[in-house]
Amino acid sequence: DVKVTQSSRYLVKRTGEKVFLECVQDMDHENMFWYRQDPGLGLRLIYFSYDVKMKEKGDIPEGYSVSREKKERFSLILESASTNQTSMYLCASSKVDGYEQYFGPGTRLTVT
Amino acid sequence: EDQVTQSPEALRLQEGESSSLNCSYTVSGLRGLFWYRQDPGKGPEFLFTLYSAGEEKEKERLKATLTKKESFLHITAPKPEDSATYLCAVIGASGTYKYIFGTGTRLKVLA
Repeated sequence: DVKVTQSSRYLVKRTGEKVFLECVQDMDHENMFWYRQDPGLGLRLIYFSYDVKMKEKGDIPEGYSVSREKKERFSLILESASTNQTSMYLCASSKVDGYEQYFGPGTRLTVT
Repeated sequence: EDQVTQSPEALRLQEGESSSLNCSYTVSGLRGLFWYRQDPGKGPEFLFTLYSAGEEKEKERLKATLTKKESFLHITAPKPEDSATYLCAVIGASGTYKYIFGTGTRLKVLA
């Protein structure tokens, strides 16, 4: 079974803090994704990576950056957290030649 | 513009009362349509992929079908444990690996 894990289930941070969200997958998938999910807006893509050190902006990259130094690990960084970044953050992975994305359990981030 | 619309937004069923959820899509060159189940506070769980009109997939009480404009997720004789939000997503020809998600249907099955 594909397993995608995220470093924290719940996180509370203060405005202006630098926040790191970590994601690890154990299925040797080439592609990894970061989404945020908000009521009424659905899932929106922040960034995705198709290879180590490669990344591409999604639909809402502003205020975020990513890092992929190893194939199995994809990190999302909030450079200076703001209250409008309070959300559920979901990581996903997929094979390079397959389209099914497999999601982690999510991190509920609250910025106060 | 590529778009996915799911209906209804919410659905309440009695246990055993079969029904269908709808996913309408507008996309140029459909590469795939995906159904996921999401429980509260958890990540989406993959259910089905459909690639071409006329295709059907089944899993337990769920059956997904696809036409050129929409997909249906049929739930036969649902049980309370089928209560969840069901998400639909598509990838079009211009999307590489980018999903376009609908906002989901919240299903509640009452015992």
